[in-house]
Amino acid sequence: EVQLVQSGTEVKEPGESLKISCKVSGHTFTTNWIAWVRQMPGKGLEWMGIIHPRDSDTRYSPSFRGHVTISADKSINSTYLQWSSLKASDTAIYYCARGRTTVMTPFHDWGQGTLVSVSS
Amino acid sequence: DIQMTQFPSSLSASVGDRVTITCQASQDMNHYLSWYQHKPGKAPKLLIYDASKLQTGVPSRFSGSGSGTDFTLTISSLQPDDMATYYCQQYDDLPLTFGGGTKVEIK
Repeated sequence: EVQLVQSGTEVKEPGESLKISCKVSGHTFTTNWIAWVRQMPGKGLEWMGIIHPRDSDTRYSPSFRGHVTISADKSINSTYLQWSSLKASDTAIYYCARGRTTVMTPFHDWGQGTLVSVSS
Repeated sequence: DIQMTQFPSSLSASVGDRVTITCQASQDMNHYLSWYQHKPGKAPKLLIYDASKLQTGVPSRFSGSGSGTDFTLTISSLQPDDMATYYCQQYDDLPLTFGGGTKVEIK
């Protein structure tokens, strides 16, 4: 059974940095693309970007490029989403999701979500 | 970017009703469309992929259809457990994009 386990709730202040994680088990980590998806309070799902853990090939949504960084560490089957300077508008639930072996992919498996709260 | 317009944004129906949700793409697409069910506090769940293929383990009352720019998710007989928000997602082109969601409530 494939499992994606995300790191826990984060409470931060504007301007702080943050890195959240998604650890994958139950399948060969380096074969499938993994995406990050945002859900702001009361809003819908937004695709942020996607990474292939084998070589860290990464594609971003234009809406998120330059504001977040997606990375992976295949030695520990984990992907990451990080910010260098958080804003209040980054308050959201962030999901990681496992796709297929192609970048154009639906998402068959999801993490439980990480709540990020940014407030002064 | 392919924009996905989903409607209605919300609906209320009775148990046993047939429910249809529509997703309209801003340009012609291949059949690379999926549907998800999302309940509060839970991870989204894949229901349909490749426009009409039922994900393993998903009840057969869910079905998907469509082509070109217009795609639909149908629940043939609404059940109490189906109360959730439903999203379409296109994977025909980057950036991948989701529809705005349809909140389904039980009368």
